[in-house]
Amino acid sequence: GESVGLHLPTLSVQEGDNSIINCAYSNSASDYFIWYKQESGKGPQFIIDIRSNMDKRQGQRVTVLLNKTVKHLSLQIAATQPGDSAVYFCAGTNTGNQFYFGTGTSLTVIP
Amino acid sequence: SQTIHQWPATLVQPVGSPLSLECTVEGTSNPNLYWYRQAAGRGLQLLFYSVGIGQISSEVPQNLSASRPQDRQFILSSKKLLLSDSGFYLCAWSVRYRGTEAFFGQGTRLTVV
Repeated sequence: GESVGLHLPTLSVQEGDNSIINCAYSNSASDYFIWYKQESGKGPQFIIDIRSNMDKRQGQRVTVLLNKTVKHLSLQIAATQPGDSAVYFCAGTNTGNQFYFGTGTSLTVIP
Repeated sequence: SQTIHQWPATLVQPVGSPLSLECTVEGTSNPNLYWYRQAAGRGLQLLFYSVGIGQISSEVPQNLSASRPQDRQFILSSKKLLLSDSGFYLCAWSVRYRGTEAFFGQGTRLTVV
């Protein structure tokens, strides 16, 4: 939608700190939400997903929180490492045919 | 296991020249297929998606077209490229009806000069 034309917001964190990346969505029909990581010059890679009937899901060093009331999704990265530097996208899908991507956030980890 | 191949990785084309980018998926049947474009430092824009052979849906009017001649083949084309067609093009697939994740190819960096 309209968000694809916007410049990516940026986030800088110190190595070892926790990172929180936020995403607002508009499509209430989504029943799955996904976080992707995109390194420079590469395609997005899956990180973690969450079903719409959940509000929290944890993976290895990552946690996704979903607040359907305010249509907000966040990705928390624990003990951020230099290899975490990338662009992070959220996406929603209705397990059908389309994936709706957020604007993306550029994360820079400072050694 | 499923894999997605997209080529070429980089492409420099003059304005007015034609374009053909190809994407193939292996290890799955009846996938949904997608073409996205990403301008530098920006988000992902869905260009086309397909739920079957010969079935193409276009999300935005543009100078590009897509075709799906085979179940696991998706082609992005243009008859005459414009400068504004420059960008990073990504092909993706998902499991039809049950897909909760889109799997992306490595992308094609297109520069129109």
